[in-house]
Amino acid sequence: QVQLLESGPGLVRPSETLSLHCTVSGDSISRSDWSWVRQVPGKGLEWIGYVYKDGATNYNPSLKSRVTVSVDTPKSQVSLRLSAMTVADTAVYYCARAAGHNKRFDPWGQGTLVTVSS
Amino acid sequence: QPALIQPPSTSGTPGQRIIISCSGSNSNIGSNTVNWYQQVSGTAPRLLMYSNIQRPSGVPDRFSGSKSGTSASLAISGLQSEDEADYFCSAWDVSVNGPVFGGGTKVTVL
Repeated sequence: QVQLLESGPGLVRPSETLSLHCTVSGDSISRSDWSWVRQVPGKGLEWIGYVYKDGATNYNPSLKSRVTVSVDTPKSQVSLRLSAMTVADTAVYYCARAAGHNKRFDPWGQGTLVTVSS
Repeated sequence: QPALIQPPSTSGTPGQRIIISCSGSNSNIGSNTVNWYQQVSGTAPRLLMYSNIQRPSGVPDRFSGSKSGTSASLAISGLQSEDEADYFCSAWDVSVNGPVFGGGTKVTVL
């Protein structure tokens, strides 16, 4: 079965760029679409963006100017870059496979907490 | 303000049936299918229901979904202590060109 594991810095300074990676195992990364979702602790879920099998991307309009989602097939990794980080970007960041015609999230990685602080 | 509206909390006793509502609009639930996610405290969300009524393998048939117009519901029959979690609804929104979520409903088993 597919397993996802996020990695990256737990602490980012304001105005810096966040870089996270999600390592996919148990299936070929090139066979699926992938996504990032975040959750402010104690709050709801927010979709960040998709990268599709054909390499196309689709981003949340509220984050579009700052986000890049990409796939590194040889490394079997999905990556997220989010620039100009602020305190409001403090959240748990999850990667997930986007499955089916309605791009449901299944499965999810365990998530990684990113804190923005000086 | 979440695009989909859920009650913040609900509760029930073991064995009881509870229903969680999810209200949206024509741009999301009204024109697309609904997915539900379960998040046990301290863990990642997991897909609980998709395409309104479909259960992924491994999800007990105590869970059922429905949709009518711009609203959807998740029912849990025979409530068990392990069902204590946060539940989030989600649907594709054509105005965002992506999925939107409800704010989540915390289910407490008394």
